[in-house]
Amino acid sequence: GAVVSQHPSWVICKSGTSVKIECRSLDFQATTMFWYRQFPKQSLMLMATSNEGSKATYEQGVEKDKFLINHASLTLSTLTVTSAHPEDSSFYICSASRGDLSNQPQHFGDGTRLSIL
Amino acid sequence: GEDVEQSLFLSVREGDSSVINCTYTDSSSTYLYWYKQEPGAGLQLLTYIFSNMDMKQDQRLTVLLNKKDKHLSLRIADTQTGDSAIYFCAESFSGGYNKLIFGAGTRLAVHP
Repeated sequence: GAVVSQHPSWVICKSGTSVKIECRSLDFQATTMFWYRQFPKQSLMLMATSNEGSKATYEQGVEKDKFLINHASLTLSTLTVTSAHPEDSSFYICSASRGDLSNQPQHFGDGTRLSIL
Repeated sequence: GEDVEQSLFLSVREGDSSVINCTYTDSSSTYLYWYKQEPGAGLQLLTYIFSNMDMKQDQRLTVLLNKKDKHLSLRIADTQTGDSAIYFCAESFSGGYNKLIFGAGTRLAVHP
């Protein structure tokens, strides 16, 4: 069964709205979670690495103030798209690893399709 | 730098074997992964291999790794229509936070 739950699966909202996406590890503690963005027919682009209890590490070109990440517990990370605009429409996927060891594979959520009107 | 390349499309007949190929440039990778993505869904981990292994088999899936040539392949035996999806290879590196570098994905189409 799923080990990473992502919610909501689909969001449609007006331009200017802020949208929060949740990522939960269901049966393990995830020190580190990752947020990706995927454009149609393209690969995943890593946006940021979310570390429990500390600030997220953002990839080059990703606006920190636009994409707010909070990793308040070992099982929950949230991504908030602030003041969303149509160009923010995309498929957002989170993943989590069991601990922060390099031999633990990432398990992915089912993704959130965000559509900004 | 880090770069992972895959062919974009593969078409096979149901019942045949599928072989999806991947090349990477950074030899310091520790693990290499194969993920499957169905339309509108997240990524499902299929299998992964440690970089000092040559082969790993898991039911219908066989992963071959040629570290000298930096070449990874995924063979799916007896391919079924349910195997139609996009397959991503990815590599990770020691240290840090297990950051993954993905290929562009190979779209596998299985026809009767």
